[in-house]
Amino acid sequence: DGGITQSPKYLFRKEGQNVTLSCEQNLNHDAMYWYRQDPGQGLRLIYYSQIVNDFQKGDIAEGYSVSREKKESFPLTVTSAQKNPTAFYLCASSIPGEGGTDTQYFGPGTRLTVL
Amino acid sequence: KNQVEQSPQSLIILEGKNCTLQCNYTVSPFSNLRWYKQDTGRGPVSLTIMTFSENTKSNGRYTATLDADTKQSSLHITASQLSDSASYICVVSDRASGTYKYIFGTGTRLKVLA
Repeated sequence: DGGITQSPKYLFRKEGQNVTLSCEQNLNHDAMYWYRQDPGQGLRLIYYSQIVNDFQKGDIAEGYSVSREKKESFPLTVTSAQKNPTAFYLCASSIPGEGGTDTQYFGPGTRLTVL
Repeated sequence: KNQVEQSPQSLIILEGKNCTLQCNYTVSPFSNLRWYKQDTGRGPVSLTIMTFSENTKSNGRYTATLDADTKQSSLHITASQLSDSASYICVVSDRASGTYKYIFGTGTRLKVLA
C-alpha cells in the first residue's frame, strides 16, 4: 500500500448522513485520486487533484465532494445526495513519469456500508 | 467509447501451474498499459507498466505482453503459488487534452488451489 493511508477501514452510515473518508500520503506526490469499486465493475473515478487547492470532477462525482488544502491530504465526503453509496472506496496518488509512465499507488481502501 | 475488457472473468488453477490472463482495449490515443494485483479487501498493487513501444515486461514470475497493433495484452503467471490468488486488473491510459485518464478493466479473479 506504499505511503498512503486511508481511514477508517470499515465505515457504517445511516441514510441521510454525510460521512468523510480520510486519505493521507507521505510520498510527496502532487496528484491524488478517489475511486469507487463495485462488484463486477472496474474502478470508477470520483474526483482527482493534480495540485494543492485544485481538483476536478471524475466520471461519477455527483453526491461527493473533496478538498485539497494540503499536499498530503485529500478527504472525500459522501453526502446524502449520493443515492447508492455502499461501496469500496480507494484513494491513490501518483507522480509524473517519463513518457506518461506515472504509476498510481493505492491506499488500502475504506468499505462504506449504508444501513 | 474507450473500454478495457478482461478475460476470463474468473479462473481456478492448481498450485505450480501456469496461466495467462487476457486484456483487450479500445482506448485511443494509447499512452500505456498497466497490470495490477489486488488482494481481497486491499488496494491494487502495480505489477508492470508498458508503453507503446514495449512488447514485453517481466516482474518475477509475472510476464506481461503488449501488441499495440491488435490492442491486446496478456499477463502470464509462471509456477503459480497460493499467494497469487487475487484479482488482476488491466488499466489503460489515454492522453487527451494534456491530461492522463485511466480506464480500468473489471479484472480477472484468480484462485490457486493446493
